[in-house]
Amino acid sequence: NAGVTQTPKFRVLKTGQSMTLLCAQDMNHEYMYWYRQDPGMGLRLIHYSVGEGTTAKGEVPDGYNVSRLKKQNFLLGLESAAPSQTSVYFCASSPQENYGYTFGSGTRLTVV
Amino acid sequence: AQSVTQLDSQVPVFEEAPVELRCNYSSSVSVYLFWYVQYPNQGLQLLLKYLSGSTLVKGINGFEAEFNKSQTSFHLRKPSVHISDTAEYFCAVNRGTSYGKLTFGQGTILTVHP
Repeated sequence: NAGVTQTPKFRVLKTGQSMTLLCAQDMNHEYMYWYRQDPGMGLRLIHYSVGEGTTAKGEVPDGYNVSRLKKQNFLLGLESAAPSQTSVYFCASSPQENYGYTFGSGTRLTVV
Repeated sequence: AQSVTQLDSQVPVFEEAPVELRCNYSSSVSVYLFWYVQYPNQGLQLLLKYLSGSTLVKGINGFEAEFNKSQTSFHLRKPSVHISDTAEYFCAVNRGTSYGKLTFGQGTILTVHP
């Protein structure tokens, strides 16, 4: 049972480049979330999804887009990367509200 | 808007000593409260959660937390820590009607010294 898998684990981008981060879960969870973690700021919610085909904005959505075409996958896109998007990105999933999240191991992104 | 404040950014402690990591939240409605642990270079793992009922919640690895509604606190405690407890700990809160979205505190780095 893999749980939540994030790819890639590391990436370096140049300013203005685009990329997609993939999150895949094999637990049939309805809810999926993307957070970014920055030192001293905890985790901040970027976007989330409450089911296949649905997405919604979180606390810090600017510069990011998401899609959930299949229930098991939640993609996070950066259309034009900026140095301010240098961060560690975590995906999480949950079967229902307030059950608790299962987190992936994270993607460390550096934008130069 | 809800917020979560972890009152200590770093807590050093000696092995086998007790520890308390403090968390306060602000919310005018019912809340659900969580503690997560993050070991170096890993994702977060759920330690425990308070949804309702008994205000003393027991979690994994010998940790427990007490929900105090009047003081809007949810402090994490362990009576005797081990070297392996060295990690960063996050308190998180969710209002009941927000699709499971969590607001996280800034984190507390617990360092256990031999």
